Amino acid sequence: EADIYQTPRYLVIGTGKKITLECSQTMGHDKMYWYQQDPGMELHLIHYSYGVNSTEKGDLSSESTVSRIRTEHFPLTLESARPSHTSQYLCASRCLDRVGCTDTQYFGPGTRLTVL
Amino acid sequence: GENVEQHPSTLSVQEGDSAVIKCTYSDSASNYFPWYKQELGKRPQLIIDIRSNVGEKKDQRIAVTLNKTAKHFSLHITETQPEDSAVYFCAASIPGGFKTIFGAGTRLFVKA
Repeated sequence: EADIYQTPRYLVIGTGKKITLECSQTMGHDKMYWYQQDPGMELHLIHYSYGVNSTEKGDLSSESTVSRIRTEHFPLTLESARPSHTSQYLCASRCLDRVGCTDTQYFGPGTRLTVL
Repeated sequence: GENVEQHPSTLSVQEGDSAVIKCTYSDSASNYFPWYKQELGKRPQLIIDIRSNVGEKKDQRIAVTLNKTAKHFSLHITETQPEDSAVYFCAASIPGGFKTIFGAGTRLFVKA
């Protein structure tokens, strides 16, 4: 089934650790996004990508980095986790302008990160 | 840049009543307006959307209206039920744009 997958779903980690949050989509979408969201609060765009080898920073300053080596895969990395990074991270994707593209953005289930 | 304002931030209604959430967008080039529902601990999910060539769209108990001149669009939920309790996000995007701009969200409580 076409969907967006995120792993891990929950992560508790100590300060200073390097972590990578995984996001994969089987929807054939070109555009992918990372949002940071405290539970039930605003969605803050931290990174996005138009396609392979293209990444851009979003509206919210973030100490994380992303890569897009394959169309379906858009991992987010924190080199040194801090308690201020504690939040939920949502991955999303959307198709590029082409026949059948609806402009709808679809979200993954999220990773809830806690940094102690 | 594009901005979407959403009101109210919190809305509490009695079961069976109607709920209305309003959004205003700034970029007149916006032509696609989705609404998402996010239940506690879950991902935002699309519940209805509207394009700029349509003034109103309805799907069972939910409807969306769009006023392009005023750059307003609204979500209407009739005969609310406790399971409608969630956070609702409006959004806007422009053709060919790479970003969907989201409102800040409305927390809806439906009291049984």
